[in-house]
Amino acid sequence: AQKVTQAQTEISVVEKEDVTLDCVYETRDTTYYLFWYKQPPSGELVFLIRRNSFDEQNEISGRYSWNFQKSTSSFNFTITASQVVDSAVYFCALSEYNTDKLIFGTGTRLQVFP
Amino acid sequence: GAVVSQHPSWVICKSGTSVKIECRSLDFQATTMFWYRQFPKQSLMLMATSNEGSKATYEQGVEKDKFLINHASLTLSTLTVTSAHPEDSSFYICSARDSGRGNTDTQYFGPGTRLTVL
Repeated sequence: AQKVTQAQTEISVVEKEDVTLDCVYETRDTTYYLFWYKQPPSGELVFLIRRNSFDEQNEISGRYSWNFQKSTSSFNFTITASQVVDSAVYFCALSEYNTDKLIFGTGTRLQVFP
Repeated sequence: GAVVSQHPSWVICKSGTSVKIECRSLDFQATTMFWYRQFPKQSLMLMATSNEGSKATYEQGVEKDKFLINHASLTLSTLTVTSAHPEDSSFYICSARDSGRGNTDTQYFGPGTRLTVL
């Protein structure tokens, strides 16, 4: 069965610190997609990244980077030099190839203090 | 691109009334839209998959007669909470997937609707 685990419920850091949000997933499919979304206090989910199971290359986008490791079924998200505006709940999600559904983790609340 | 809107952004209603929430894809067509529910400090739970021109597919435990979904066009899906009760109070979020990119593409989310039933 599909499952996404975000073990970190809440993380607090001081501005400019680096922070890594963990995501571990379970699936029996060989083809699947992984996502990260950001949910700021306003409530809207903001798409950050989509990665398919055949692409294990790490990705960097500005201060954001993602580490996908199939061997450990993990898709971790790192924010470098965090800023107060990064404060939000971050969700990792999984979608298998033969289904429309997104399975969300429980989210990690990140608080960045000035 | 890939903007999804929801209306209203918040609504307060009396117990027993019905409330309609609209979800629109503004700059793309979406044969499939999704409705989620989120309780405070919790994750998103998929309620149903809305398919243009056909019946919605509901997740186990979601009452289809309570949560009516209509997907009448390629850019609009509506969720009607019928005979609302206080336990229906929640944050309802829709998402849409760009039809032109196949069924494995990214879901883009609306800003959500906060429903409070008194």
